[in-house]
Amino acid sequence: DAKTTQPPSMDCAEGRAANLPCNHSTISGNEYVYWYRQIHSQGPQYIIHGLKNNETNEMASLIITEDRKSSTLILPHATLRDTAVYYCIVRDYNDMRFGAGTRLTVKP
Amino acid sequence: GAVVSQHPSRVICKSGTSVKIECRSLDFQATTMFWYRQFPKQSLMLMATSNEGSKATYEQGVEKDKFLINHASLTLSTLTVTSAHPEDSSFYICSAGSGSGTDTQYFGPGTRLTVL
Repeated sequence: DAKTTQPPSMDCAEGRAANLPCNHSTISGNEYVYWYRQIHSQGPQYIIHGLKNNETNEMASLIITEDRKSSTLILPHATLRDTAVYYCIVRDYNDMRFGAGTRLTVKP
Repeated sequence: GAVVSQHPSRVICKSGTSVKIECRSLDFQATTMFWYRQFPKQSLMLMATSNEGSKATYEQGVEKDKFLINHASLTLSTLTVTSAHPEDSSFYICSAGSGSGTDTQYFGPGTRLTVL
């Protein structure tokens, strides 16, 4: 079973920041938080990951709470091409399970 | 990012035949690969974990004799669906990771299997 809980869907206006939450209250000390997204009929695309510190790359920022029980993926300036299903995954080395994800729709 | 390919991208076969799907890491050596299948409007379901040189570890409910996984090299893993039936029609996706550091997994583009 997936170790994460995400809202099933969210909308965001084009050009605005999209903030996608994820709860992972049972995360253990050696488990990382990964975010992927899947555009229809394609393989998932890696976005970002972190252990306990906040992370930023060219695609997004990842904010992890101090107790590590939740995190937020931030797309700073959403575009129509960011419309996808976003998956938050808590994983250790030999376990990588997907939950239901959040369907993000970016609207003009 | 790292590139993972899958072949074929789409396959149609008759019921009772076997189908082999290849997953290749193109620019890195993959010590760990995961195989998933995805039905329409559903999330990815983990089928098995494959470590190079070892037998695959299958998830509960996944028949190891029906879904044969071979990870014989650091750049190639194969999934063979034996005696395929219409209920095996699905989108099959692999991921591969280098096994170093945090071992980020990169996904292939998927293979659409249709069994008639």
